[in-house]
Amino acid sequence: ILNVEQSPQSLHVQEGDSTNFTCSFPSSNFYALHWYRWETAKSPEALFVMTLNGDEKKKGRISATLNTKEGYSYLYIKGSQPEDSATYLCAQPGAGSYQLTFGKGTKLSVIP
Amino acid sequence: NAGVTQTPKFRVLKTGQSMTLLCAQDMNHEYMYWYRQDPGMGLRLIHYSVGEGTTAKGEVPDGYNVSRLKKQNFLLGLESAAPSQTSVYFCASRTGSTEAFFGQGTRLTVV
Repeated sequence: ILNVEQSPQSLHVQEGDSTNFTCSFPSSNFYALHWYRWETAKSPEALFVMTLNGDEKKKGRISATLNTKEGYSYLYIKGSQPEDSATYLCAQPGAGSYQLTFGKGTKLSVIP
Repeated sequence: NAGVTQTPKFRVLKTGQSMTLLCAQDMNHEYMYWYRQDPGMGLRLIHYSVGEGTTAKGEVPDGYNVSRLKKQNFLLGLESAAPSQTSVYFCASRTGSTEAFFGQGTRLTVV
């Protein structure tokens, strides 16, 4: 079982603020890194699948970077809106990409 | 385009009863997963399957069994439910190179 860690556990920001959080993972035998957005009472939905060191992905106001050599990824949200309130999960496929291990998530609350 | 469908959505069991949760996907995905979600614990992997007829244990497999007789279906069984198995269960599927697609979850309460 891979050890995928996320920080902080929770975050409260004001509407309009930009924010970022971290996913740390084992750098050895890296295959891919996933980011998901999980709204309350819904199912997780994928944001990004990242595979290459130095990868940067963007979807609207949300972007992510990847450093496979040091084993971390950052998720950035620019100009947070109340609808961005959700738990953000990262996940890493295991050896042979079979298992998919999730971090415990960062719960973001955007205050209007 | 149904994606991943879980049945049932809600269930209340008495301690010691058994039940089966069904996950069905229509995307021809090889890999399927069962997770449980508990407060403060995130998503923990119970069992997974990398293809029809194959299953493997995840992080928290005790008290659960699984079967994948057909590629599109992944069943999670509780033989003798315990209150500690009260949780929300999510099924997910993917191919080796894609993100996971999740079902809508099953809320199970064991009393």
